[in-house]
Amino acid sequence: DAKTTQPNSMESNEEEPVHLPCNHSTISGTDYIHWYRQLPSQGPEYVIHGLTSNVNNRMASLAIAEDRKSSTLILHRATLRDAAVYYCILRDGKTSYDKVIFGPGTSLSVIP
Amino acid sequence: EPEVTQTPSHQVTQMGQEVILRCVPISNHLYFYWYRQILGQKVEFLVSFYNNEISEKSEIFDDQFSVERPDGSNFTLKIRSTKLEDSAMYFCASSAWDIPEAFFGQGTRLTVV
Repeated sequence: DAKTTQPNSMESNEEEPVHLPCNHSTISGTDYIHWYRQLPSQGPEYVIHGLTSNVNNRMASLAIAEDRKSSTLILHRATLRDAAVYYCILRDGKTSYDKVIFGPGTSLSVIP
Repeated sequence: EPEVTQTPSHQVTQMGQEVILRCVPISNHLYFYWYRQILGQKVEFLVSFYNNEISEKSEIFDDQFSVERPDGSNFTLKIRSTKLEDSAMYFCASSAWDIPEAFFGQGTRLTVV
């Protein structure tokens, strides 16, 4: 499985933007970049995914470097509810049912 | 919004006993997964299931574990003879062929005493 590297933890002030980085220097051409998060005492939930272009949805934005070796998840205005572990994951796009493999992720703390 | 449901939310069992963890995936999904998360550790993949058979399994998924889709709606994980180290949160997930995300349930906390 292709590997990703994330900081262990980050802090943000409430209502400020948060940029969560991820390095994936060994990404292959068919790997999609997925982000999931896990709120305390809950199951993981999908946040966003992309291949080459930047992506936006109601939860977040995903900025992907031109060489695809890194990406950044952007939460535009952090709320207390965004405190969670965020996982950057590569999934093989050739198989739609490829398993999700979690690393340790980034634990985001949001300060009121 | 459709969701993956898991029962029970918490199960306590004695070492050596068999347990069955139950999951109802989202109804039109075709791919099913079990994961576990030992307290304070990362989420670990156990097994994936498609077309009524295991498509992939991890080293953790040994002969003590089995999965089944008995009736077209439920998806179960059986642990035949539980050990103390099986204590963990177990998450079920499902996905469809035409959407990228996997949907996870809220988990079953298994405590082996």
